[in-house]
Parts: sequence; structure tokens; C-alpha cells
Amino acid sequence: DAGITQSPRYKITETGRQVTLMCHQTWSHSYMFWYRQDLGHGLRLIYYSAAADITDKGEVPDGYVVSRSKTENFPLTLESATRSQTSVYFCASSDPGRDGYTFGSGTRLTVV
Amino acid sequence: GNSVTQMEGPVTLSEEAFLTINCTYTATGYPSLFWYVQYPGEGLQLLLKATKADDKGSNKGFEATYRKETTSFHLEKGSVQVSDSAVYFCALSDFNTGANSKLTFGKGITLSVRP
Repeated sequence: DAGITQSPRYKITETGRQVTLMCHQTWSHSYMFWYRQDLGHGLRLIYYSAAADITDKGEVPDGYVVSRSKTENFPLTLESATRSQTSVYFCASSDPGRDGYTFGSGTRLTVV
Repeated sequence: GNSVTQMEGPVTLSEEAFLTINCTYTATGYPSLFWYVQYPGEGLQLLLKATKADDKGSNKGFEATYRKETTSFHLEKGSVQVSDSAVYFCALSDFNTGANSKLTFGKGITLSVRP
């Protein structure tokens, strides 16, 4: 089925480790986004991408790295995980002519 | 910059009660406005939208009217059901189309509906 898929669904990692969260969409949407969801903060934009090889920072980019070599994939890497990065991460995509965003089911990341 | 303010939660209602969730915004230009819903363990889903002043978005019995004079986009439903229990987010976009621009979200509010 067409859609947007995030993996893994759950992840526990140790402080200082590198971890990559995957996001894959099958629509060839031009725009993709990474948000984190934390109690009391709602959703905050980490990074977004307007097309392959074009990325830009959002509201809370520190400690994260993204890449987009192919339109359908937009991985998010935590280079050296910290406890403050414990959160639920959502990937989303959109395209001109559609209404708003389509979200993935999220990745719950715990840094211990 | 742009911002969205939602009323504090959580909200607990009995089934068939009337629902209002307040949302106000600050933006330059003429944003599009959205309500998203997040059911437990799932991602966000678009509930309804409005792209210009006085537009009314509606879906699944929910309604919201884009009020430019009060910079508001309050969500209402006449008779809530247990299945409406979820987290609701108000959001706005930078540009009028809303389709390919960044969304700014409110903090969300949890709605619980008792049988």
C-alpha cells in the first residue's frame, strides 16, 4: 500500500550512541519533515526537506543530522544520543495540491 | 514569528456533550489553518482545514470557522462520542495553499469522552 513508513517503531539506545530513524514514503512527495513530540511542547520541527538533496533546519535541529539522497527516503540521525532526545519522532510528507501533511506512525525513542 | 495557542487541557466530557476546543493564532500574511487528530499510538491525521477568512472546515461532525478578526479557529462538535477520545492539534501554515509549507502546531489537547 502507498503510505509513509517509519522504522523502527520503538528504540532504546544508550547515551552517546549514534542512532538513525528511518522514514520512507511511496508517493514521491517533494516535501518531508521530521518532528518530535514531547509533553508540554506539542510538536516541534527538527528538519525539513523541499526535495532530494535540499534540507533545512527547523526549530530544534541541534544534535540531529538529516540527508535526502532519494526523494522517498528521509533518515534522521542522532550523532551522539542524549537523554534529552528521548521523545516520539514523527516523519511527515506533503506535495503541492494536497491538504496539509501525511504523518507516519512515529518512532518512540528512549535514551538511557 | 508564527504561533498557535490552544486552551489548556486535558478535557473530559460525557458522551453526547457539546465540545469546544479553543485555538488562536499569530501569523504574518494569510495562513491556512488546520485541525489534526492523534488517536492513541498513532500518527496525526488531518481532521479539517480552512484556507481563508470565514471559511468553515468540517469533517466527522467537527467544525471550525476561520475568524480573521479574532485570529481564532475554534473546534466544535455538537455531540461527542467515546471514539472521539484523542489528542487534538491546531496548526497553521506559512502560505495560503498550505500544501507544501511548514506547519506550526499548538501544544495539543487531550480529550477523553466517558460513556
